[in-house]
Amino acid sequence: NAGVTQTPKFQVLKTGQSMTLQCAQDMNHNSMYWYRQDPGMGLRLIYYSASEGTTDKGEVPNGYNVSRLNKREFSLRLESAAPSQTSVYFCATLLTENNQPQHFGDGTRLSIL
Amino acid sequence: DAKTTQPTSMDCAEGRAANLPCNHSTISGNEYVYWYRQIHSQGPQYIIHGLKNNETNEMASLIITEDRKSSTLILPHATLRDTAVYYCIVRVRGNTDKLIFGTGTRLQVFP
Repeated sequence: NAGVTQTPKFQVLKTGQSMTLQCAQDMNHNSMYWYRQDPGMGLRLIYYSASEGTTDKGEVPNGYNVSRLNKREFSLRLESAAPSQTSVYFCATLLTENNQPQHFGDGTRLSIL
Repeated sequence: DAKTTQPTSMDCAEGRAANLPCNHSTISGNEYVYWYRQIHSQGPQYIIHGLKNNETNEMASLIITEDRKSSTLILPHATLRDTAVYYCIVRVRGNTDKLIFGTGTRLQVFP
């Protein structure tokens, strides 16, 4: 049981390049989330998705797009990467019934030069 | 915005109880309090959650005040491996629930 799997684990981009971060879950959770964490800071919510085909903006959505094509996968896209987007990105899932806790992936460490 | 406030850092001697406070004065009646921790830059690890009753599991205890405006996470016998950043989070209700993280408390356990 893999839980929440993020790919890639590490990536270096040049300014202006595009990239998609992938997240897949096998927990059959309905909600999925993307957070970013800058050094010494807490996690900030970028986008989230209540179910397949629906997405909503979080605290810091600018510069990102997301796609929830099916229940298992939730991708985060940087169309034109900027150095300010250098961060660790975490994907998380949640089963909204019964107040179950959120589960996190191991993160993608992204550096933009 | 995060709905919780926590001290920036705390120290605890190994083997002693670590008591981490959290204020959530604007919490609504149906919102749960969750605690997570993050070791180095790993993904946050779930610890415990509660609504209004005190809770205990194999990792920790959660004490929530009667007015629900604050809570305390208790690690009964802290070890060096408990050194981490601890986040107190209110689960915000909506079309889908959200967990908004604050800056957390950096707990340093020393020998």
